[in-house]
Amino acid sequence: GEDVEQSLFLSVREGDSSVINCTYTDSSSTYLYWYKQEPGAGLQLLTYIFSNMDMKQDQRLTVLLNKKDKHLSLRIADTQTGDSAIYFCAESWGYGQNFVFGPGTRLSVLP
Amino acid sequence: NAGVTQTPKFQVLKTGQSMTLQCAQDMNHEYMSWYRQDPGMGLRLIHYSVGAGITDQGEVPNGYNVSRSTTEDFPLRLLSAAPSQTSVYFCASSSQGGEDTGELFFGEGSRLTVL
Repeated sequence: GEDVEQSLFLSVREGDSSVINCTYTDSSSTYLYWYKQEPGAGLQLLTYIFSNMDMKQDQRLTVLLNKKDKHLSLRIADTQTGDSAIYFCAESWGYGQNFVFGPGTRLSVLP
Repeated sequence: NAGVTQTPKFQVLKTGQSMTLQCAQDMNHEYMSWYRQDPGMGLRLIHYSVGAGITDQGEVPNGYNVSRSTTEDFPLRLLSAAPSQTSVYFCASSSQGGEDTGELFFGEGSRLTVL
């Protein structure tokens, strides 16, 4: 079946870059997403990448997609304390019910 | 712009009690769903609906019922709560089709504790 894997924890110093990695299994995924969950809140879409793209950049965020290895990464430049949250990788090959989420990576930003 | 609204935010139940978690969205989304979030397990799909009158089971449907009488509302019912249902529940919605990216919009969550 479909599976999305992520490491559960990551700690970085404020000002450093953070790289959160994700592997997925379904090569028919149409979109791959990164969601951010702040404490006590729901998930909010951070960014997404279409499966025919290799890279997407959005201000401090860079998403890299390696379809051959089924590997997705999210790089946050100049990480700030406000970036401390859980980051979920997700894949979708359609809509709604075809979403599969990873377990989430808890990013801790140390001063 | 309310988006997806869930109530209640917190609830404590005793084993065997029943309750309904409410979810409403004002974006005219066809698709609505319920997830549960447990530590280290990500989000698991409980039930979903692709339109009024249509519901289907997700990955972990046992112990939960849903109905979709209107486009806006998608309540989740626990008929006889069990401690294993202690979790944080999220309602999510999305539009279906077109040029959309299929983004899921989430509510703020409902934290349920079953004693």
